[in-house]
Amino acid sequence: EVQLVESGGGLVQPGRSLKLSCAASGFTFSNYYMAWVRQAPKKGLEWVATISTSGSRTYYPDSVKGRFTISRDNAKSSLYLQMNSLKSEDTATYYCARLWSFWGPGTMVTVSS
Amino acid sequence: DVVLTQTPPTLSATIGQSVSISCRSSQSLLHSNGNTYLHWLLQRPGQSPQLLIYLVSRLESGVPNRFSGSGSGTDFTLKISGVEAEDLGVYYCVQGTHAPWTFGGGTKLELK
Repeated sequence: EVQLVESGGGLVQPGRSLKLSCAASGFTFSNYYMAWVRQAPKKGLEWVATISTSGSRTYYPDSVKGRFTISRDNAKSSLYLQMNSLKSEDTATYYCARLWSFWGPGTMVTVSS
Repeated sequence: DVVLTQTPPTLSATIGQSVSISCRSSQSLLHSNGNTYLHWLLQRPGQSPQLLIYLVSRLESGVPNRFSGSGSGTDFTLKISGVEAEDLGVYYCVQGTHAPWTFGGGTKLELK
């Protein structure tokens, strides 16, 4: 059974950093592109980042480019999202996704002083 | 950026009724490789999104065949042939043809 479980969310002050993790199981992690998608409270979905199978290629929207970094460790079947210079508008539930078939339950990030 | 406009924003239906959701793109979603990367997701209340339809019309494994997708270019439709109670939630279209990938604003399906 495919499982994706995010962790690392929490309350953080504006301007600080946070690193999210996603533990994958039930499939050959290294064979799939992976992504992070977020959802602000009571809002729609927003794509945040995608990474290729080897990790050599990464993609971001302008809203997070230069602040967020997606990475992966295929040996550990894990996906990461390093978030720097956090803003209040980054407050959201962050989902790890194996595009687009499988999603984790999400981890909440709240950016507030 | 590609803008996906979903209509209607809210849809009220009775059990057994057939409904359709439209997703219109601000530019063609036909990729140079011949694929059209337009997919449909359902997010039930309190749950993560789940994939229903990928590449316009391909039914994801395990998804009931009352769901169907159609369209091309800039106009796409998700049809539910006989709504069931478990179908309630918010439906999103998403495109992966043009970076950055973008989602439609969502269509909330409610019981009438």
